[in-house]
Amino acid sequence: ELKVEQNPLFLSMQEGKNYTIYCNYSTTSDRLYWYRQDPGKSLESLFVLLSNGAVKQEGRLMASLDTKARLSTLHITAAVHDLSATYFCAVDMSGYALNFGKGTSLLVTP
Amino acid sequence: EAQVTQNPRYLITVTGKKLTVTCSQNMNHEYMSWYRQDPGLGLRQIYYSMNVEVTDKGDVPEGYKVSRKEKRNFPLILESPSPNQTSLYFCASCLGGGLYGYTFGSGTRLTVV
Repeated sequence: ELKVEQNPLFLSMQEGKNYTIYCNYSTTSDRLYWYRQDPGKSLESLFVLLSNGAVKQEGRLMASLDTKARLSTLHITAAVHDLSATYFCAVDMSGYALNFGKGTSLLVTP
Repeated sequence: EAQVTQNPRYLITVTGKKLTVTCSQNMNHEYMSWYRQDPGLGLRQIYYSMNVEVTDKGDVPEGYKVSRKEKRNFPLILESPSPNQTSLYFCASCLGGGLYGYTFGSGTRLTVV
């Protein structure tokens, strides 16, 4: 059974600070996705990582994938309040099912 | 605009009254699926479909039915809803086995009383 673990589950950080969210998974996969969810809203696709060593950046967010370590990171640079949301990683092992982590609730405070 | 459309957005119903949540995508995606999101349990897959007339169970299929008669539509049917099916439901679709990412609908918040 594929397990996807995110940490931390809750993160409160000050504006301007940097931080990293970690996503570990238990079974070999080369497809990993990061999503953002605002309260009561849908899941917004942030990054699609499809190979070992993949690195993608969008604004203050950067995601990477290490398939050998079964680890993906989502790095936040100089956080701003607008980044407050819940972030999910999801692993696709089979091509037909996303296995989600529990999510990281991020709160950026002044 | 490329999107996955779910209806209704909110629904309150009574135990045992059959209901259907519709999902439609305009991107010609082969793959569609349904997830439910519950506090503490995260997102779990209910059913998925690889193409027209091809469906299969996900992790939590009990109490749900689906059909895929057309490529664009993938309705979720609750024949006899129960309170434990109170949840936030999402439909998703993708092309090429997820190589381009999955697109999610806006969600349906279902309450069964």
